[in-house]
Amino acid sequence: GESVGLHLPTLSVQEGDNSIINCAYSNSASDYFIWYKQESGKGPQFIIDIRSNMDKRQGQRVTVLLNKTVKHLSLQIAATQPGDSAVYFCAEMENTDKLIFGTGTRLQVFP
Amino acid sequence: DARVTQTPRHKVTEMGQEVTMRCQPILGHNTVFWYRQTMMQGLELLAYFRNRAPLDDSGMPKDRFSAEMPDATLATLKIQPSEPRDSAVYFCASGLGQGRAFFGQGTRLTVV
Repeated sequence: GESVGLHLPTLSVQEGDNSIINCAYSNSASDYFIWYKQESGKGPQFIIDIRSNMDKRQGQRVTVLLNKTVKHLSLQIAATQPGDSAVYFCAEMENTDKLIFGTGTRLQVFP
Repeated sequence: DARVTQTPRHKVTEMGQEVTMRCQPILGHNTVFWYRQTMMQGLELLAYFRNRAPLDDSGMPKDRFSAEMPDATLATLKIQPSEPRDSAVYFCASGLGQGRAFFGQGTRLTVV
């Protein structure tokens, strides 16, 4: 698929459990932090974002947490489903609109 | 259903040939990105445009790669001459800023 078989860290969870995917970022000047999901054979898809002046934002079954002190971002997925299996990327954006992606994490959901 | 359209989906070419990849961003989006995805490097930003003006192409090998937006409905990425190390999936994305970019399906390039 279009994720090109990346050698990525993998998180394996059982269906119904909660998943937590972590990301460390480097640029203190970033204004937005974003999570993307990439399924096999497809381009990345926006999941949720958070501004740098926030520390938590919730969506449908997903929550993003931002800790600027340690430059850490996490994505929590509640009641993980088989359809959540994908590669997840964190990304950061400065006010220049430059969107930089971090390394991904492969999420595998087992029945 | 608005989407970013990339052509071709697949391209196999011989080393030394010119390759042109095309992208039709979502109508009304003012920011366009080109990314390359490989096994080793993940998603690399090659270049991006705002209102058709190039803002940053520092991620692109200047001697062989070029990116342009002839008009608001077309972005192109050219490689001349192509090399085997250029083999990758190339993604175009468009957006209105604030990190929410919409990606196309990608062009899988193989240079032999």
